[in-house]
Amino acid sequence: QVQLQESGPGLVKSSETLSLSCHVSDYSIGRGYYWGWIRQPPGKGLEWIGYIHNRGATYYNPSLESRVDISKDTSNNQFSLKLSSVTAADTAIYYCARSLRHGYIVDLDSWGQGILVTVSS
Amino acid sequence: QSDLTQPASVSGSPGQSITISCIGKTSDFGEYDYASWYQQHPGKAPKLMIYDVNTRPSGVSDRFSGSNSGNTASLTISGLQPEDEADYYCSSYANKTTVVFGGGTKVTVL
Repeated sequence: QVQLQESGPGLVKSSETLSLSCHVSDYSIGRGYYWGWIRQPPGKGLEWIGYIHNRGATYYNPSLESRVDISKDTSNNQFSLKLSSVTAADTAIYYCARSLRHGYIVDLDSWGQGILVTVSS
Repeated sequence: QSDLTQPASVSGSPGQSITISCIGKTSDFGEYDYASWYQQHPGKAPKLMIYDVNTRPSGVSDRFSGSNSGNTASLTISGLQPEDEADYYCSSYANKTTVVFGGGTKVTVL
């Protein structure tokens, strides 16, 4: 069963760029599926950030699109999130996830454990 | 702000059935038929419970079922159990390439 693990700094300064990686085990990301990022501010609901397809196409939340970049590194079997010009509102648990079926992006059945990123002033 | 509206909380006694609604601003559910539901226990990652409106992934109890009507998707939990106490989120396509989550519903087992 595929496993996902987020990594990156837990503290980012305001106005800087948040950078996270999601390492994938037991499945080669280049073979298929959509690979996504979702976040959850402390005590609040889920927010979809965006996805990258195994072939490289990306889709972003319109409200974040100007600041988001998702990329993949097939050789290291991981995909990454960059969120620029962060503010305190970007403080959240960031999850990476994979869809259940090829070609779909609304059925996320494999999730990382999540990583808390705090934006400090 | 979410485009999918869920009640903030729903409660029920053990053994009862409860239903959580998820209302879209448009007829997204009817057009795409792709409503999904996630369960999240405190401190844990979300778990997919329902996709394609009413399909359960392998391993999910058949006490969980989904339906939709027009712009409203619903999750029903039958035979409510203490371990069902969690937050539940609906999700669907906002358009053909983007996704939206509902605001979440806290389910309390009395």
